[in-house]
Amino acid sequence: AQKVTQAQTEISVVEKEDVTLDCVYETRDTTYYLFWYKQPPSGELVFLIRRNSFDEQNEISGRYSWNFQKSTSSFNFTITASQVVDSAVYFCALSEDDSWGKLQFGAGTQVVVTP
Amino acid sequence: GAVVSQHPSRVICKSGTSVKIECRSLDFQATTMFWYRQFPKQSLMLMATSNEGSKATYEQGVEKDKFLINHASLTLSTLTVTSAHPEDSSFYICSARYRTGRSEAFFGQGTRLTVV
Repeated sequence: AQKVTQAQTEISVVEKEDVTLDCVYETRDTTYYLFWYKQPPSGELVFLIRRNSFDEQNEISGRYSWNFQKSTSSFNFTITASQVVDSAVYFCALSEDDSWGKLQFGAGTQVVVTP
Repeated sequence: GAVVSQHPSRVICKSGTSVKIECRSLDFQATTMFWYRQFPKQSLMLMATSNEGSKATYEQGVEKDKFLINHASLTLSTLTVTSAHPEDSSFYICSARYRTGRSEAFFGQGTRLTVV
């Protein structure tokens, strides 16, 4: 069964619009980590954030913010005032307690920002 | 953050030949490395877990005889795609985690393999 679901395949926005990427996960572990990565066309994975299961505080980093809701098993990501450089595929991933460092990725969401 | 170097970044090979991809942790020791494969417009799928000094653990559906993994030292794991075919063309990316403690895994830059 898929453990990380990113239901949005592609989101297109115009520059300066906000965009929210959804991520829903499934795990039986009480200790786990959630990640977001950005993959630009060049292919490398750019680490954006790691959140452990005991820290439900939302986080803001510049134009990026994350909303972690354990009650709904969601870890959503918002880009505020999007820019063309934000165009990329964004992956949400889960690492469970018994498989440290091993990531299960969602399908990814392609974000297209047009000027 | 820790640096993981993957080489080569791109490779084109003829069908039937073998290709070796290296994954090195440059500034830390990695007991465990992970190999992922990503087909065009798809997600990253774990192929195998590489443990230093022992046999790799392959995910279901991954042929261990075709994708040979060697983790001979704490800083190097290699993935060899044997008798490559066009359907093996993909983006291969490795990650490495610290030897001690719990930590995230750090990703290499990836290798784009094209088999012609």
